[in-house]
Amino acid sequence: EDQVTQSPEALRLQEGESSSLNCSYTVSGLRGLFWYRQDPGKGPEFLFTLYSAGEEKEKERLKATLTKKESFLHITAPKPEDSATYLCAVQGNFNKFYFGSGTKLNVKP
Amino acid sequence: EPEVTQTPSHQVTQMGQEVILRCVPISNHLYFYWYRQILGQKVEFLVSFYNNEISEKSEIFDDQFSVERPDGSNFTLKIRSTKLEDSAMYFCASTEKTGGGGELFFGEGSRLTVL
Repeated sequence: EDQVTQSPEALRLQEGESSSLNCSYTVSGLRGLFWYRQDPGKGPEFLFTLYSAGEEKEKERLKATLTKKESFLHITAPKPEDSATYLCAVQGNFNKFYFGSGTKLNVKP
Repeated sequence: EPEVTQTPSHQVTQMGQEVILRCVPISNHLYFYWYRQILGQKVEFLVSFYNNEISEKSEIFDDQFSVERPDGSNFTLKIRSTKLEDSAMYFCASTEKTGGGGELFFGEGSRLTVL
């Protein structure tokens, strides 16, 4: 069965303290791995799509990487406004996207 | 910037009542989805819709649920007889294509509270 596991569940960082979030997955025929940001009470906001192992994408302080079994979202020198829940989702052979439970990031000034 | 819009943002209903949640997907998108998120839990797939029919649905999407695209712009989720456990945030999403390049764009959600 297709599955997505994210770790850690929660992460507290000081402003400027870099770290990484993990998303491990098992899926039949990966069509894409997606990272989203979700603020409380809001819909997921699209960040990145990765399609094949070795691929990397960057946006401001965020960098997403992909291997055959997992993806990392690296956060470099985070700021308080980066505080949110970060969701990972995979799309397999069918038209649905499986989401992980998310990592709740709290960046303290 | 094009966006997915959902109404209502919050609906409170009595158990057993019918609820219709509405969505306007991004205009050139072809695939539409409903997801739900119970407070504190993960985003769960309900149903996908393409070419005016359901392409896939989850075990959550039982006979109480239905979807419809009544015109060229709206996409609706109907819950026939709401239960307490239907209380959740319901997200509509759309994508231009699947199978590569199919970024899923979400609306802001409709919060359903069943009393």
